[in-house]
Amino acid sequence: EVQLVESGGGLVQPGGSLRLSCAVSGFSISGNWITWVRQVPGKGLEWVASLQHDVSGDHYVDSVKGRFTMSGDSAQNSVFLEMNSLRAEDTAVYYCARSNNATFDFWGQGAIVTVSS
Amino acid sequence: EIVMTQSPPSSRVTLGQPASISCRSSQSLVFIDGTTRLSWLQQRPGQPPRLLIYHVSKRFSGVPDRFSGSGSGTDFTLDISRVEAEDVGIYYCMQAKQFPLTFGGGTKVEIK
Repeated sequence: EVQLVESGGGLVQPGGSLRLSCAVSGFSISGNWITWVRQVPGKGLEWVASLQHDVSGDHYVDSVKGRFTMSGDSAQNSVFLEMNSLRAEDTAVYYCARSNNATFDFWGQGAIVTVSS
Repeated sequence: EIVMTQSPPSSRVTLGQPASISCRSSQSLVFIDGTTRLSWLQQRPGQPPRLLIYHVSKRFSGVPDRFSGSGSGTDFTLDISRVEAEDVGIYYCMQAKQFPLTFGGGTKVEIK
């Protein structure tokens, strides 16, 4: 059974850092695209970043380039989103999802990130 | 960036009646491999998004056959043949032809 479970969310001050984890089961992250999508409460979906672990590169939305970094750990079968220089506008629920057939077929339950002083 | 525009923003439907949602992309979503990279997602209240349709018209595993997708190029439609109570939520189209991946603004479906 395919599952993705996010963790690492929380409250952080502006300018601070946070690391989100996405633990994957039911398939290997190696060679597969994993994507982070965020959603401000009450608003729509925004693609944040995608990574094809061990194969291709990573891609980011312009608003997080230079601040966010995706990485993967095959031994843990997990993907991470390192978020630095956080801003109030980064406050959102962050979902990780598997990208397959040019779509997102399985999603996690989400991790809440709040950037506030 | 490919802009995705959905209409209507909201729709109130009588149970058992059909519903239709439109999505337009600012450029063709046909990829070099010939596939059209348009998907539809459903987000029920308090839940993460769920895949309904990919490649315009392919229903994802477990999705009821009352959901169907159609369209080509830049114009796409999601149809629900007979709306049920569990279909309440927000529906998003999304394109995966090129980065940045983008979503439509969403269509909220409610029951009358």
